[in-house]
Amino acid sequence: QQQVKQSPQSLIVQKGGISIINCAYENTAFDYFPWYQQFPGKGPALLIAIRPDVSEKKEGRFTISFNKSAKQFSLHIMDSQPGDSATYFCAASWSRAGTALIFGKGTTLSVSS
Amino acid sequence: EAGVAQSPRYKIIEKRQSVAFWCNPISGHATLYWYQQILGQGPKLLIQFQNNGVVDDSQLPKDRFSAERLKGVDSTLKIQPAKLEDSAVYLCASSLERPRNNSPLHFGNGTRLTVT
Repeated sequence: QQQVKQSPQSLIVQKGGISIINCAYENTAFDYFPWYQQFPGKGPALLIAIRPDVSEKKEGRFTISFNKSAKQFSLHIMDSQPGDSATYFCAASWSRAGTALIFGKGTTLSVSS
Repeated sequence: EAGVAQSPRYKIIEKRQSVAFWCNPISGHATLYWYQQILGQGPKLLIQFQNNGVVDDSQLPKDRFSAERLKGVDSTLKIQPAKLEDSAVYLCASSLERPRNNSPLHFGNGTRLTVT
């Protein structure tokens, strides 16, 4: 119930293409769903986040789509660029209870030029 | 603003030895976390502090791991004795407010521990 399952494990996308990473969760108490981006040798950094009261959130080329009934959410990267090559982690938390983030296992994205 | 500072950057020890990691969070951040990131996996929470009190240490292997946050600022994480499976990157993160306010986590660059 505390897991966040992320797929795919790795992804190769052509420059200018759309990258899609998916996550699923079990705990219906989760109420905060961020995505973090991590470059080699660096700590993860917040990319974008969503609450379950909305179905979509867009920031620049990054969009989160949220499906509450399916308990799934996904990250879409439009017009993918080589600089987007990194590892992406979805996460979830029950923020009302003050719990810390639970992270998925990560997706390594490579954008080829 | 200065980011989360961690030291050392790398550490290599033999099994059964002890090791300590240090973290200085962003100034004013009340919540501090230690996460363990094994190669190829996502960060896993070890311990969460709110000011200098422990909020969650349910996944901390207390027989060998210990952590403290003196005066609600800096924190140290210790492993004694280390096992091979402790080889990982140890990430410290801080946030301005309690998790219920969804303050973003700011991570340091981590300490890469190799146990031989």
